[in-house]
Amino acid sequence: NAGVMQNPRHLVRRRGQEARLRCSPMKGHSHVYWYRQLPEEGLKFMVYLQKENIIDESGMPKERFSAEFPKEGPSILRIQQVVRGDSAAYFCASSPRTGVDTGELFFGEGSRLTVL
Amino acid sequence: TQLLEQSPQFLSIQEGENLTVYCNSSSVFSSLQWYRQEPGEGPVLLVTVVTGGEVKKLKRLTFQFGDARKDSSLHITAAQPGDTGLYLCAGVPGNNRKLIWGLGTSLAVNP
Repeated sequence: NAGVMQNPRHLVRRRGQEARLRCSPMKGHSHVYWYRQLPEEGLKFMVYLQKENIIDESGMPKERFSAEFPKEGPSILRIQQVVRGDSAAYFCASSPRTGVDTGELFFGEGSRLTVL
Repeated sequence: TQLLEQSPQFLSIQEGENLTVYCNSSSVFSSLQWYRQEPGEGPVLLVTVVTGGEVKKLKRLTFQFGDARKDSSLHITAAQPGDTGLYLCAGVPGNNRKLIWGLGTSLAVNP
Protein backbone atom coordinates (compact mmCIF):
# COMPACT_ATOMS: atom_id res chain seq x y z
CA ASN A 1 0.00 0.00 0.00
CA ALA A 2 1.74 3.12 -1.21
CA GLY A 3 2.19 5.94 1.24
CA VAL A 4 1.58 9.62 0.66
CA MET A 5 3.40 10.62 -2.50
CA GLN A 6 4.68 14.13 -3.01
CA ASN A 7 6.42 15.59 -6.01
CA PRO A 8 8.66 17.16 -6.81
CA ARG A 9 10.95 16.43 -3.86
CA HIS A 10 13.01 19.49 -4.70
CA LEU A 11 11.97 22.53 -6.68
CA VAL A 12 14.01 25.62 -7.53
CA ARG A 13 12.26 28.72 -8.75
CA ARG A 14 13.30 32.30 -9.43
CA ARG A 15 11.43 35.16 -7.86
CA GLY A 16 8.18 35.81 -9.66
CA GLN A 17 7.76 32.29 -11.04
CA GLU A 18 5.05 29.84 -10.06
CA ALA A 19 5.51 26.73 -7.96
CA ARG A 20 3.16 23.75 -8.11
CA LEU A 21 3.46 21.03 -5.52
CA ARG A 22 1.55 17.78 -5.89
CA CYS A 23 0.31 15.30 -3.33
CA SER A 24 -1.34 11.93 -3.82
CA PRO A 25 -2.85 10.71 -0.53
CA MET A 26 -2.72 7.18 0.72
CA LYS A 27 -5.22 4.84 -0.89
CA GLY A 28 -8.55 5.15 0.85
CA HIS A 29 -7.77 8.54 2.41
CA SER A 30 -10.05 11.37 1.43
CA HIS A 31 -8.65 14.07 3.72
CA VAL A 32 -5.53 16.05 2.77
CA TYR A 33 -3.57 18.59 4.78
CA TRP A 34 -0.75 20.87 3.70
CA TYR A 35 1.88 22.09 6.14
CA ARG A 36 4.89 24.34 5.79
CA GLN A 37 8.04 23.84 7.81
CA LEU A 38 10.97 26.15 8.32
CA PRO A 39 14.04 25.21 10.38
CA GLU A 40 13.35 25.64 14.10
CA GLU A 41 9.83 26.94 13.43
CA GLY A 42 7.85 23.76 13.54
CA LEU A 43 5.03 22.62 11.34
CA LYS A 44 2.63 25.38 10.31
CA PHE A 45 -0.82 24.32 9.20
CA MET A 46 -1.85 25.80 5.87
CA VAL A 47 -4.97 24.13 4.54
CA TYR A 48 -7.25 21.11 5.00
CA LEU A 49 -9.14 19.72 2.02
CA GLN A 50 -11.50 16.94 1.15
CA LYS A 51 -12.32 15.93 -2.40
CA GLU A 52 -13.47 19.06 -4.26
CA ASN A 53 -13.83 21.03 -1.01
CA ILE A 54 -11.63 23.33 1.01
CA ILE A 55 -12.57 22.69 4.63
CA ASP A 56 -10.16 24.98 6.46
CA GLU A 57 -7.74 27.42 4.82
CA SER A 58 -7.08 29.52 7.89
CA GLY A 59 -3.32 28.95 7.62
CA MET A 60 -3.00 29.98 3.99
CA PRO A 61 -1.67 33.41 3.09
CA LYS A 62 -4.47 35.40 1.49
CA GLU A 63 -2.50 36.21 -1.63
CA ARG A 64 -0.49 34.09 -4.07
CA PHE A 65 -1.30 30.74 -2.40
CA SER A 66 -4.06 28.38 -3.44
CA ALA A 67 -4.87 24.71 -3.00
CA GLU A 68 -7.18 22.23 -4.59
CA PHE A 69 -8.08 18.57 -4.31
CA PRO A 70 -10.03 17.64 -7.43
CA LYS A 71 -12.33 14.68 -7.81
CA GLU A 72 -9.66 12.98 -9.90
CA GLY A 73 -5.95 13.40 -9.46
CA PRO A 74 -3.63 14.70 -6.78
CA SER A 75 -4.00 17.65 -4.47
CA ILE A 76 -2.12 20.71 -5.71
CA LEU A 77 -0.59 23.51 -3.68
CA ARG A 78 0.09 26.44 -5.96
CA ILE A 79 2.25 29.42 -5.14
CA GLN A 80 2.19 32.25 -7.62
CA GLN A 81 4.88 34.92 -8.00
CA VAL A 82 7.16 33.25 -5.50
CA VAL A 83 9.37 35.31 -3.23
CA ARG A 84 12.44 34.27 -1.26
CA GLY A 85 10.39 34.00 1.90
CA ASP A 86 8.43 31.15 0.34
CA SER A 87 11.52 28.93 0.51
CA ALA A 88 10.60 26.09 2.87
CA ALA A 89 9.69 22.45 3.08
CA TYR A 90 6.04 21.83 2.25
CA PHE A 91 4.52 18.65 3.63
CA CYS A 92 1.33 16.97 2.64
CA ALA A 93 -0.47 14.60 4.98
CA SER A 94 -3.54 12.46 4.54
CA SER A 95 -5.91 10.71 6.85
CA PRO A 96 -8.99 8.55 6.74
CA ARG A 97 -12.19 9.96 8.18
CA THR A 98 -11.23 8.83 11.70
CA GLY A 99 -8.02 10.81 11.50
CA VAL A 100 -9.99 14.03 11.61
CA ASP A 101 -10.99 13.28 15.20
CA THR A 102 -7.86 11.51 16.40
CA GLY A 103 -5.24 13.67 14.69
CA GLU A 104 -3.49 10.67 13.17
CA LEU A 105 -1.89 11.86 9.98
CA PHE A 106 0.29 10.15 7.43
CA PHE A 107 2.89 12.44 5.90
CA GLY A 108 4.67 12.47 2.61
CA GLU A 109 8.40 13.08 2.35
CA GLY A 110 7.90 16.74 1.53
CA SER A 111 8.69 19.12 -1.28
CA ARG A 112 11.56 21.48 -0.70
CA LEU A 113 11.12 24.78 -2.46
CA THR A 114 14.08 27.07 -2.96
CA VAL A 115 13.46 30.52 -4.38
CA LEU A 116 16.51 32.20 -5.88
CA THR B 1 -4.47 30.35 22.70
CA GLN B 2 -4.01 26.61 22.87
CA LEU B 3 -0.35 25.67 22.90
CA LEU B 4 1.69 22.53 23.19
CA GLU B 5 5.07 23.26 24.75
CA GLN B 6 7.81 20.74 24.24
CA SER B 7 10.95 20.48 26.34
CA PRO B 8 13.80 20.38 26.07
CA GLN B 9 14.11 22.02 22.68
CA PHE B 10 17.45 20.33 22.01
CA LEU B 11 19.03 17.25 23.56
CA SER B 12 22.38 15.66 22.79
CA ILE B 13 23.27 12.44 24.57
CA GLN B 14 25.56 9.45 24.29
CA GLU B 15 24.45 6.07 23.04
CA GLY B 16 23.09 3.94 25.85
CA GLU B 17 21.74 6.81 27.96
CA ASN B 18 18.10 7.18 28.95
CA LEU B 19 16.10 10.33 28.29
CA THR B 20 12.67 11.83 28.74
CA VAL B 21 11.07 14.59 26.69
CA TYR B 22 7.91 16.42 27.60
CA CYS B 23 4.85 17.88 25.94
CA ASN B 24 2.81 20.21 28.15
CA SER B 25 -0.31 22.31 27.82
CA SER B 26 -2.86 24.10 29.93
CA SER B 27 -5.60 22.68 27.71
CA VAL B 28 -7.25 19.28 27.81
CA PHE B 29 -6.76 17.09 24.77
CA SER B 30 -9.06 14.33 23.58
CA SER B 31 -6.09 12.62 21.96
CA LEU B 32 -2.39 13.22 21.59
CA GLN B 33 0.13 11.90 19.11
CA TRP B 34 3.89 11.60 19.03
CA TYR B 35 5.71 11.75 15.71
CA ARG B 36 9.38 11.36 14.80
CA GLN B 37 10.86 13.27 11.90
CA GLU B 38 14.27 12.42 10.49
CA PRO B 39 16.26 14.99 8.49
CA GLY B 40 14.91 15.35 4.98
CA GLU B 41 11.83 13.24 5.68
CA GLY B 42 8.26 13.76 6.75
CA PRO B 43 7.00 13.11 10.30
CA VAL B 44 6.12 9.51 11.05
CA LEU B 45 3.39 8.69 13.55
CA LEU B 46 4.71 6.74 16.55
CA VAL B 47 1.73 6.52 18.88
CA THR B 48 -1.65 7.93 19.83
CA VAL B 49 -2.81 8.20 23.45
CA VAL B 50 -6.41 8.95 24.33
CA THR B 51 -7.04 7.93 27.95
CA GLY B 52 -5.79 9.89 30.96
CA GLY B 53 -2.95 8.00 32.63
CA GLU B 54 -2.46 5.76 29.62
CA VAL B 55 0.97 4.24 29.08
CA LYS B 56 2.03 2.77 25.75
CA LYS B 57 5.28 1.06 24.92
CA LEU B 58 6.96 0.78 21.54
CA LYS B 59 10.15 -1.26 22.01
CA ARG B 60 12.47 1.08 23.95
CA LEU B 61 10.03 3.99 23.81
CA THR B 62 7.47 4.56 26.57
CA PHE B 63 4.72 7.11 26.11
CA GLN B 64 2.54 8.41 28.92
CA PHE B 65 -0.54 10.60 28.82
CA GLY B 66 -1.14 12.69 31.94
CA ASP B 67 -4.09 11.89 34.16
CA ALA B 68 -5.72 15.20 33.28
CA ARG B 69 -4.95 14.75 29.57
CA LYS B 70 -3.02 18.02 29.47
CA ASP B 71 0.49 16.64 29.11
CA SER B 72 2.50 13.73 27.85
CA SER B 73 6.00 12.36 28.10
CA LEU B 74 8.21 10.17 25.96
CA HIS B 75 10.91 8.12 27.64
CA ILE B 76 13.62 6.38 25.64
CA THR B 77 15.67 3.65 27.26
CA ALA B 78 19.22 2.93 26.12
CA ALA B 79 19.12 5.42 23.28
CA GLN B 80 20.69 4.46 19.97
CA PRO B 81 21.97 6.64 17.09
CA GLY B 82 18.94 5.52 15.09
CA ASP B 83 16.74 7.39 17.59
CA THR B 84 18.17 10.69 16.36
CA GLY B 85 15.50 12.98 15.01
CA LEU B 86 12.90 15.61 15.79
CA TYR B 87 10.19 14.39 18.15
CA LEU B 88 6.92 16.22 17.69
CA CYS B 89 3.80 16.02 19.78
CA ALA B 90 0.40 16.98 18.41
CA GLY B 91 -3.03 16.93 19.93
CA VAL B 92 -6.70 17.44 19.29
CA PRO B 93 -8.09 19.84 21.92
CA GLY B 94 -11.22 18.73 23.68
CA ASN B 95 -13.28 21.71 22.52
CA ASN B 96 -12.57 21.57 18.81
CA ARG B 97 -11.07 19.34 16.18
CA LYS B 98 -8.18 21.46 14.98
CA LEU B 99 -4.88 19.66 15.46
CA ILE B 100 -2.32 21.58 17.54
CA TRP B 101 1.43 20.98 17.12
CA GLY B 102 4.39 21.47 19.43
CA LEU B 103 7.67 22.82 18.07
CA GLY B 104 9.48 19.56 18.77
CA THR B 105 12.49 18.24 20.64
CA SER B 106 15.56 17.74 18.47
CA LEU B 107 17.40 14.67 19.75
CA ALA B 108 20.94 13.71 18.78
CA VAL B 109 22.30 10.38 19.99
CA ASN B 110 26.04 10.18 19.58
CA PRO B 111 27.76 6.82 19.07
